[in-house]
Amino acid sequence: KNEVEQSPQNLTAQEGEFITINCSYSVGISALHWLQQHPGGGIVSLFMLSSGKKKHGRLIATINIQEKHSSLHITASHPRDSAVYICAVTTDYGGSQGNLIFGKGTKLSVKP
Amino acid sequence: DAGVIQSPRHEVTEMGQEVTLRCKPISGHDYLFWYRQTMMRGLELLIYFNNNVPIDDSGMPEDRFSAKMPNASFSTLKIQPSEPRDSAVYFCASSIQGLAFFGQGTRLTVV
Repeated sequence: KNEVEQSPQNLTAQEGEFITINCSYSVGISALHWLQQHPGGGIVSLFMLSSGKKKHGRLIATINIQEKHSSLHITASHPRDSAVYICAVTTDYGGSQGNLIFGKGTKLSVKP
Repeated sequence: DAGVIQSPRHEVTEMGQEVTLRCKPISGHDYLFWYRQTMMRGLELLIYFNNNVPIDDSGMPEDRFSAKMPNASFSTLKIQPSEPRDSAVYFCASSIQGLAFFGQGTRLTVV
């Protein structure tokens, strides 16, 4: 079993729909990251969370530490949101930054 | 700051040749990471440095891979000799206080 699981693997939505991508993890973490990988390959960091909720524009990320679960929401989705969204966790090893463990990503396609 | 800068963006080389990938992290960041991305295995951590010191290189696949960080503003990942199975996109990332920023990646093709 992977230490970081994402669902769904693929997601197709119509423009304007509300989108949710889920991430569950099984290891101790100091932080959870949501990354966006554009079709061209570049990776952008969207959020880093250790508790609660963060919002940036139409993107909202939440984390529940007790349940070891995080969600990424996109409101009023747009075709330009089409990308692969990757959940990653920073492991909590003895207080060091540790390394990032990645989920396999969710490929989102938003149709006009 | 221009972000994390990697070079080259694309590299095509013949099997057996030495390949050197370069990374310039964001100024002031104290961690630097090298990742490899393939369709089969997704993103994998190869090695990371803290304040220029290698901390964990357990992800480096073989002795053919080596990485250095001679100073805070430069790191290299070297593959010698290269093999076709090394073909992948190699990402460098730097971070401070946990937030990681990725370079655009180097797409390596070994033929």
